[in-house]
Amino acid sequence: QKEVEQNSGPLSVPEGAIASLNCTYSDRVSQSFFWYRQYSGKSPELIMSIYSNGDKEDGRFTAQLNKASQYVSLLIRDSQPSDSATYLCAVGNNFGNEKLTFGTGTRLTIIP
Amino acid sequence: EAQVTQNPRYLITVTGKKLTVTCSQNMNHEYMSWYRQDPGLGLRQIYYSMNVEVTDKGDVPEGYKVSRKEKRNFPLILESPSPNQTSLYFCASSTPRGGGEKLFFGSGTQLSVL
Repeated sequence: QKEVEQNSGPLSVPEGAIASLNCTYSDRVSQSFFWYRQYSGKSPELIMSIYSNGDKEDGRFTAQLNKASQYVSLLIRDSQPSDSATYLCAVGNNFGNEKLTFGTGTRLTIIP
Repeated sequence: EAQVTQNPRYLITVTGKKLTVTCSQNMNHEYMSWYRQDPGLGLRQIYYSMNVEVTDKGDVPEGYKVSRKEKRNFPLILESPSPNQTSLYFCASSTPRGGGEKLFFGSGTQLSVL
């Protein structure tokens, strides 16, 4: 059984600071890694995808992948109150979405 | 507007009464999937479909059925619902291959089985 582990939080970060969210996974053959954001009562929405070791930046978001350590993280710079949400890490075993495994999510609160 | 439409949004039913949750997407996506979301357990995949007439089990398929007769529709069927199927259900779709696919989620169906 593949596992994706996240700290459930809540993680509280002051506005303007960097929020760091972490995720570990158990399946060494995992190929695709995603971060979804889910506001309370809403459906998840994709904010980052990463497939190769290293960093991938998109605006205020940076995803980091270390396959050797089976670790993926999401950094949010200049955190805003609108970033307050639950962040779901998802891991796939192929370059596709079949059998994506989601973590339980980390609840992030940005304090004004 | 590109979207995944789930119905109903809320459903209360009783044990054993067959029900269907509909899911339709207008993006011509090959891939569709059903998830359930429970507190502390996260999103778990129930079934997925890579294309018409092609379906496969996810991690928690017991007690559920699906069909994919048309590309746009992927209904979730509970033949004999039980209280442990009370959950928030999401349908999702995407293109199946290529880097950077985005899963498009429906708005969710909150199901309560009494």
